[in-house]
Amino acid sequence: NAGVTQTPKFQVLKTGQSMTLQCAQDMNHEYMSWYRQDPGMGLRLIHYSVGAGITDQGEVPNGYNVSRSTTEDFPLRLLSAAPSQTSVYFCASSYSDNRTPYEQYFGPGTRLTVT
Amino acid sequence: GENVEQHPSTLSVQEGDSAVIKCTYSDSASNYFPWYKQELGKGPQLIIDIRSNVGEKKDQRIAVTLNKTAKHFSLHITETQPEDSAVYFCAPSQYSGGGADGLTFGKGTHLIIQP
Repeated sequence: NAGVTQTPKFQVLKTGQSMTLQCAQDMNHEYMSWYRQDPGMGLRLIHYSVGAGITDQGEVPNGYNVSRSTTEDFPLRLLSAAPSQTSVYFCASSYSDNRTPYEQYFGPGTRLTVT
Repeated sequence: GENVEQHPSTLSVQEGDSAVIKCTYSDSASNYFPWYKQELGKGPQLIIDIRSNVGEKKDQRIAVTLNKTAKHFSLHITETQPEDSAVYFCAPSQYSGGGADGLTFGKGTHLIIQP
């Protein structure tokens, strides 16, 4: 299994540009989520999905859109990039059963700079 | 929402000594208490977790202890080694059996193992 993959690894955008961060998992996990990580702030939840066709907002959703058309993919869209969105973005997926609730499997991250 | 605090923010210990990181949370309904380790340039990875019906759990050199009354849990690493150098995050949450809808992470503790 490749686990959770994210593309691209690095990206530089100009203010106002749009882009999509890709996330895919091959573990058949129902649950997927996006976090951003900023220095001294830990990881903050942007959006999450409990299954195909279902998404919900996390702690910091403004400026980001998501959709979940398949179990495998959970792209994150920035419609009009702002310097405040400069961050490292992590996608995560998880399963839930009686053995290990809430374990999140993280991708390697996308480092985004908005100038 | 859950308020999570981690202490200390940076911890430097001599190789071979023990390290303890404490996580305090606010939501008394929390019943799942994981610790994640993030190495430089990588996504976080679960290293140990505990549920509210258990007071302590050990896995080789690492252990987690839980005090539900005081609403805090701690990560203990004994006989520290250079590969323990990383950032550690706690992420207390409420597991309802329905799966993950995202975690609230502490701001992280940077553990430095001095040779």
